Amino acid sequence: DAGITQSPRHKVTETGTPVTLRCHQTENHRYMYWYRQDPGHGLRLIHYSYGVKDTDKGEVSDGYSVSRSKTEDFLLTLESATSSQTSVYFCAISESSGRQWEQFFGPGTRLTVL
Amino acid sequence: AQKVTQAQTEISVVEKEDVTLDCVYETRDTTYYLFWYKQPPSGELVFLIRRNSFDEQNEISGRYSWNFQKSTSSFNFTITASQVVDSAVYFCALSEVAAGNKLTFGGGTRVLVKP
Repeated sequence: DAGITQSPRHKVTETGTPVTLRCHQTENHRYMYWYRQDPGHGLRLIHYSYGVKDTDKGEVSDGYSVSRSKTEDFLLTLESATSSQTSVYFCAISESSGRQWEQFFGPGTRLTVL
Repeated sequence: AQKVTQAQTEISVVEKEDVTLDCVYETRDTTYYLFWYKQPPSGELVFLIRRNSFDEQNEISGRYSWNFQKSTSSFNFTITASQVVDSAVYFCALSEVAAGNKLTFGGGTRVLVKP
């Protein structure tokens, strides 16, 4: 199994509070991603990183920011949580090996915004 | 923009029946990867298979098989002789290799295998 952990695994918070989710990898992969999963939508990309301090927006980035100060950590921040951000959040890592790409997912974080 | 469509939202079968999951994709890229992931009730995402756009060879792995056809932009997945443990949500995904392997997912197909 790929070495990806997410913390916390579950969180309940109130509207308007800041929330930070952490993704940690031990694989030294260059690429890291944050996706959210909602019923009927599959997974959608929020932000991704292609190296330390190099990040870019995904499909549903509004209301989220990210930071990557070390290869192994990728943080997702909700500056002011809203009920529409209640979701399951998955971190993923990816690396290329020749012409092959691998992408592995963390266990997920279930966030509830009341 | 890339798009992945899984038209079947839910499939219910009786154990030992075969199940085929459809996946149709849209992309302008000439180089891309297609994936299938399984999400059991426990919630984790389990990687099943990856195919690159240069390799249309179909594959069988145990009770799983995949049918990749570039001409119809389809990447279908079949479970032969289904078992209760196959009950899960299955996601098809398409990667943008030129853009850091970002994945675009289909909406998922829930498979329920009844004993």
